[in-house]
Amino acid sequence: SAVISQKPSRDICQRGTSLTIQCQVDSQVTMMFWYRQQPGQSLTLIATANQGSEATYESGFVIDKFPISRPNLTFSTLTVSNMSPEDSSIYLCSVPQGYGYTFGSGTRLTVV
Amino acid sequence: AQSVSQHNHHVILSEAASLELGCNYSYGGTVNLFWYVQYPGQHLQLLLKYFSGDPLVKGIKGFEAEFIKSKFSFNLRKPSVQWSDTAEYFCAVRTNQGGKLIFGQGTELSVKP
Repeated sequence: SAVISQKPSRDICQRGTSLTIQCQVDSQVTMMFWYRQQPGQSLTLIATANQGSEATYESGFVIDKFPISRPNLTFSTLTVSNMSPEDSSIYLCSVPQGYGYTFGSGTRLTVV
Repeated sequence: AQSVSQHNHHVILSEAASLELGCNYSYGGTVNLFWYVQYPGQHLQLLLKYFSGDPLVKGIKGFEAEFIKSKFSFNLRKPSVQWSDTAEYFCAVRTNQGGKLIFGQGTELSVKP
């Protein structure tokens, strides 16, 4: 099964700054998904990142706030821009794997 | 838009009690269904999945789930829970629209020893 390396595992950031999260997959995948898990809540899909095209964002999420790059079939980044305390969450990437999905270990972001 | 609803926000059981967690989805087409578990401080783990065939699916750690198409449901069951089953449980659905996985709100299960 695919292995995802997600970095950083956690960070504490000042409001107004930006953080870029990286996901590296050990095999080529067409689609990568970015999720947010706010404290005590479920996973919410932010966007689908496809190689060679712009990411597709879900309702409530915009490219200016969460720009995504997908330079090749094994790598993607999600940037959380102009952060506020409401952005404090766990951010996860995920890839389809066989008949299921594999998830990264997550990035725990705290905005102060 | 597709959605997934988990009826129970927090379930508290004693060890050896039986468990059933409800999950309903809203989508009229073909779906793939999943249950994930998240133990405290750990990553999401796949418990079981349904794609086709026998609607009664058996997963890891003694869990099973039944897909009832007419009720748009995929309830998770375990005959006898253990303290180690304390975790957050997420139902998820994938439709044929974009391959994305949509999660329910999650159910926190607390098992008292």
